[in-house]
Parts: sequence; structure tokens; C-alpha cells
Amino acid sequence: GAVVSQHPSWVICKSGTSVKIECRSLDFQATTMFWYRQFPKQSLMLMATSNEGSKATYEQGVEKDKFLINHASLTLSTLTVTSAHPEDSSFYICSADTRSSYNEQFFGPGTRLTVL
Amino acid sequence: GQNIDQPTEMTATEGAIVQINCTYQTSGFNGLFWYQQHAGEAPTFLSYNVLDGLEEKGRFSSFLSRSKGYSYLLLKELQMKDSASYLCAVTNAGKSTFGDGTTLTVKP
Repeated sequence: GAVVSQHPSWVICKSGTSVKIECRSLDFQATTMFWYRQFPKQSLMLMATSNEGSKATYEQGVEKDKFLINHASLTLSTLTVTSAHPEDSSFYICSADTRSSYNEQFFGPGTRLTVL
Repeated sequence: GQNIDQPTEMTATEGAIVQINCTYQTSGFNGLFWYQQHAGEAPTFLSYNVLDGLEEKGRFSSFLSRSKGYSYLLLKELQMKDSASYLCAVTNAGKSTFGDGTTLTVKP
């Protein structure tokens, strides 16, 4: 099946710094990738939809200037958490749309962000 | 709006059968996914239903009734490794909305 990787798998940073998370589709081209955030014992919350070559579409309540998304190629999307604060600590997961007949998404392994 | 309901927790015995229900009220519907998620890991695909009825896949089966806004995931011959969170997700216009997940604990 389709493979999606994320890097880094975990990161610890100081408050006020920026963190970049990469999401790559390894064996297929993904015109659309999704970024989710998951707090402990909660479900995945869609943050934004990333489309190759165009601006990301953010969900209501998600700050565009804080969570910068770039989808520069058909295999890479990046999420940058700018000026991170402790409340941004979470599990960030990306997924890629395989454009199958039923829009199956394949998920990356996730990135655990801890902001001190 | 989107509203997806699942039980928060369930417990079952190894070797038994368990049914996890999911009800939804959404503004649009293309299909319904079930995912399995172990703690600290990303979700993995289990099943997809777009038409009413039962889809069987080994030990796992999923049922959908679009008119009732209802689905269930059936797990047979439970194994200890099936202890995980099970997420119901409704997809519409290419986007998926997830339920809060059901944490299943399988006991010996």
C-alpha cells in the first residue's frame, strides 16, 4: 500500500521557537495532503488541507499565520508551527489522499511535539 | 455541521466478538471509514463503506445504514493485540471528519 513518512517523529523545543514538520508520500504522488492534530485521548482534528501548488485551506479556528503549510511538490508538504507555545504541544499527523475511487487516506506515523 | 458519536470505552474477552457502533449526522456523505489506532501511533485503515450493507474482511466486518446514519465495526475472535482505539470517520468532498474513537480493551 501507499507509504507516508513524517519527520521528525518527535521534537522538543523551547517556547517561542518555530518547528517544521515534513510529510512525504514515498511511493505515490499526492496532490492533496491533510494535517491533523490530536490531543491525548481525543480524536483527530483536521487543521488544514494542503494542495500542491496552491494555498492551504484552513479549518475554522486554525490560525493561518501560526501554522504555515507549504505543499511545494507532489510528494512533500510541510507544517511549520511558528512561535510555539506549550499549548501547541500535541501529536501532529499528516495524511495523503491517494485519489482512489473512495478517497482513502494513508497516514504518516505522526510527530509528537512538546513545547517547554 | 458534523456530529459523530461512538462509545468511549469497551471491554471484551479474548476470543469473543465485539461490536462497536457509530452514529452520525453530517451535512454531506460520501462514505464511512473505520480506522484502528494504537497509542502513540497513526491510524491504520480497516474498512470503508459507501453502500448499505455488510463488508467482511477476515476477522473484521463493517456495516452501514445510510438512512439511519449508523455503522458498526464487528471484530471476531478477539486477540490481545486488538486492544486499541477504533475511529469512525465520515468522508465528504474529500475530507474526513473523525469521531472521538472507542478504546477497546481485550482481557485474557
